[in-house]
Amino acid sequence: NAGVTQTPKFRVLKTGQSMTLLCAQDMNHEYMYWYRQDPGMGLRLIHYSVGEGTTAKGEVPDGYNVSRLKKQNFLLGLESAAPSQTSVYFCASTTLADLQETQYFGPGTRLLVL
Amino acid sequence: AQSVAQPEDQVNVAEGNPLTVKCTYSVSGNPYLFWYVQYPNRGLQFLLKYITGDNLVKGSYGFEAEFNKSQTSFHLKKPSALVSDSALYFCAVRDPNTGKLIFGQGTTLQVKP
Repeated sequence: NAGVTQTPKFRVLKTGQSMTLLCAQDMNHEYMYWYRQDPGMGLRLIHYSVGEGTTAKGEVPDGYNVSRLKKQNFLLGLESAAPSQTSVYFCASTTLADLQETQYFGPGTRLLVL
Repeated sequence: AQSVAQPEDQVNVAEGNPLTVKCTYSVSGNPYLFWYVQYPNRGLQFLLKYITGDNLVKGSYGFEAEFNKSQTSFHLKKPSALVSDSALYFCAVRDPNTGKLIFGQGTTLQVKP
């Protein structure tokens, strides 16, 4: 049981380049989330998904797209990277079958956009 | 709209002394409150949660938190701090319909020997 995994761990992009971050969970969770973490701002929700084939915008969705084609995977895409997207990205998952369940976080992806 | 606030960017404590990391919340309805800890270059780890029941919640690593409805607070506490408790602590409130977490800005805890 690996929990929540993220690929890659670290990436450097040039402005305008594209990339996809992969999040995978093996806990059969329905809900998955992408957050970004910036100093002094805590974690902010980018997009989330409440089930396979569904996605929704979070607090800071601009410049990002997501897809949830399989229940266990949640992809975050940057079509044209900008320096403002330099951040640490965290994926999380949970199930709301039990409202007391917490979110489980991946180890993070550090992205540097030059 | 739901929100949480952590009024202190950093808390400094001597090892062996009690520690408190403050959190206040603003929600409509019953709050679902969480504390997470982040060690350097690591993801977030769950510490404890308040959903309902006793106002004093016990969690991992000897931490506990006190839910105070009248003061809309959910402060994190530990009776005796360890140097290894030094980390970044986040308070969060959860949307009960979508599971989204709304985080405070985080408080860095520094425990000195």
